[in-house]
Amino acid sequence: KAGVTQTPRYLIKTRGQQVTLSCSPISGHRSVSWYQQTPGQGLQFLFEYFSETQRNKGNFPGRFSGRQFSNSRSEMNVSTLELGDSALYLCASSERSRPSQSYEQYFGPGTRLTVT
Amino acid sequence: DQQVKQNSPSLSVQEGRISILNCDYTNSMFDYFLWYKKYPAEGPTFLISISSIKDKNEDGRFTVFLNKSAKHLSLHIVPSQPGDSAVYFCAARRAQKLVFGQGTRLTINP
Repeated sequence: KAGVTQTPRYLIKTRGQQVTLSCSPISGHRSVSWYQQTPGQGLQFLFEYFSETQRNKGNFPGRFSGRQFSNSRSEMNVSTLELGDSALYLCASSERSRPSQSYEQYFGPGTRLTVT
Repeated sequence: DQQVKQNSPSLSVQEGRISILNCDYTNSMFDYFLWYKKYPAEGPTFLISISSIKDKNEDGRFTVFLNKSAKHLSLHIVPSQPGDSAVYFCAARRAQKLVFGQGTRLTINP
């Protein structure tokens, strides 16, 4: 099976702009989670989508939003970009068919966003 | 509020020796703990996990220990190999949500 793919891999935007990142999960995976990685902060959970519905949400402002399509592909949008939004954005997919699973997630390579 | 903490940002170990990576957590409601490994320009890859009802899980060179009373888990790598050089993240699960630590950069010296 192909792994999790994310596009684009690198992006440079200016403050105030908006950006959309895309994630294609592993075939058959219905859960997609998004994380922000910054130096010193580790991976911070943004949100999770399962079967086109947002199931979990982290502590990020409303400028961060997402959606999931019927084919499980997901997009993440950040509006009114700020310098502090510069980070590596990671997408992860999982089968999430049974709550008792260890919730093993498979990560994509990430999108490196730089806001200038 | 950092519920999962990795207090050592970096660790350097001689090849062939044991690497011990540590992680502390504050929320006793976490029911699963996982370790991920990340190379530059790649996403994290799953290494090993442990249920909160166990105290040890072993997979080849990797062993994870969980001390619930101390709210502490550790990852042991024996013997350490140059390919183990990477950033290691511990993560804890609650209500289908993963909380990650800040990561520890492990360097294996020849």
